[in-house]
Amino acid sequence: QVQLQESGPGLVKPSETLSLTCTVTGGSLSNTYWSWVRQPAGERPEWIGRIFSDGNTNYNPYNPSLQGRITMSLDTSKNQFSLELSSVTAADTAMYYCARGAGLIEIWGQGTLVTVSS
Amino acid sequence: IVLTQSPGTLSLSPGERATLSCRASQTISRPYLAWYQQKPGQAPRLLIYGTSNRATGIPDRFSGSGSGTDFTLTITRVEPEDFAVYYCQHHGSSLLFTFGPGTKVDI
Repeated sequence: QVQLQESGPGLVKPSETLSLTCTVTGGSLSNTYWSWVRQPAGERPEWIGRIFSDGNTNYNPYNPSLQGRITMSLDTSKNQFSLELSSVTAADTAMYYCARGAGLIEIWGQGTLVTVSS
Repeated sequence: IVLTQSPGTLSLSPGERATLSCRASQTISRPYLAWYQQKPGQAPRLLIYGTSNRATGIPDRFSGSGSGTDFTLTITRVEPEDFAVYYCQHHGSSLLFTFGPGTKVDI
């Protein structure tokens, strides 16, 4: 079955760029939406954005603090997709999940905790 | 669309019935309401999609219902492994994929 695994630094300094990669096993990236979701400790999940297998992206337009800071990409040769979040602040500290789905999240990775601190 | 969930915490004993509510600030089409279960230290897991369809592998003690602005997740007989936080989610058009604040089901 399809499994997802996040990887990347667990600690990022303020004003720097958070970079995470999701490796998909048990299936391909083809003809599917892949999303990133984050969840601060004790809070509800928040959808960050998605990328389709052709590279088209949609980012969350409703959180002003995310505007202009998100970049998603994919590497079909490695069966991976990635998230970059620039100019991070402490408010970006959260568990970050990669996931399969356009908005309805069918499969979740186990998550990776990213802390923003100097 | 703002989702509110009630109660915030539901304290039950194994074998009891659980009824969780999700209310939307405006009408949601039935295909676009989902429920997730999250246990401590784990990622959320899809339970119900399209208001009433169980996801793969979800036991039939879980059921979803509702329409308009009021939706319900029911667990007919709570098992020990069901103690968790449950989130409803709207995943409709316009990229508005919002989660409710969650209901914690505990012992």
